[in-house]
Amino acid sequence: DVKVTQSSRYLVKRTGEKVFLECVQDMDHENMFWYRQDPGLGLRLIYFSYDVKMKEKGDIPEGYSVSREKKERFSLILESASTNQTSMYLCASSLLIGRGETQYFGPGTRLLVL
Amino acid sequence: DAKTTQPTSMDCAEGRAANLPCNHSTISGNEYVYWYRQIHSQGPQYIIHGLKNNETNEMASLIITEDRKSSTLILPHATLRDTAVYYCIVKDDDAGGYQKVTFGTGTKLQVIP
Repeated sequence: DVKVTQSSRYLVKRTGEKVFLECVQDMDHENMFWYRQDPGLGLRLIYFSYDVKMKEKGDIPEGYSVSREKKERFSLILESASTNQTSMYLCASSLLIGRGETQYFGPGTRLLVL
Repeated sequence: DAKTTQPTSMDCAEGRAANLPCNHSTISGNEYVYWYRQIHSQGPQYIIHGLKNNETNEMASLIITEDRKSSTLILPHATLRDTAVYYCIVKDDDAGGYQKVTFGTGTKLQVIP
């Protein structure tokens, strides 16, 4: 089974702090994704990566950056956390790119910014 | 982009079949229909996907109409652990090759003892 793990289930940070969210997958997947999920808005794509050191902006990249130095690890960085970044953050990975792609999700990190 | 329409919520008695409908009338010929579910406070879980033919796996069955404008996810014997939000997704066309996954608000299925 594919396993996608995220470094924290719950996180509380203060406004202005730098926040790192880590995601690791163990199935040698090429593609990794970061989403945020908010009530009434569904899942929204922040960034994705289809190879080491490659990254692409999703729908809502503002206020975030990412890093993919190793294939299995994809980090989401909030350079200066703000209260509107309080959300559930979900990491996902997939093997294929294109049609017929299945994404596998981690358990999520619930971030509260005070 | 092909969009989906699902009922907001449904109830199902434990042990009975849960039939979750999804309309995707603007689906294009090569787009797949995917189903995911999300149990409270967990990440979404892949269930099943299909293109034209009906599909079955250990979790569920997927029935796609001949015109592909709608589909139904069937959980044959619902249990309390199947209580979750179920998302029906149709992949976007993307000339760049990446198929963005867009989750709507889904159907909240409540399995009742």
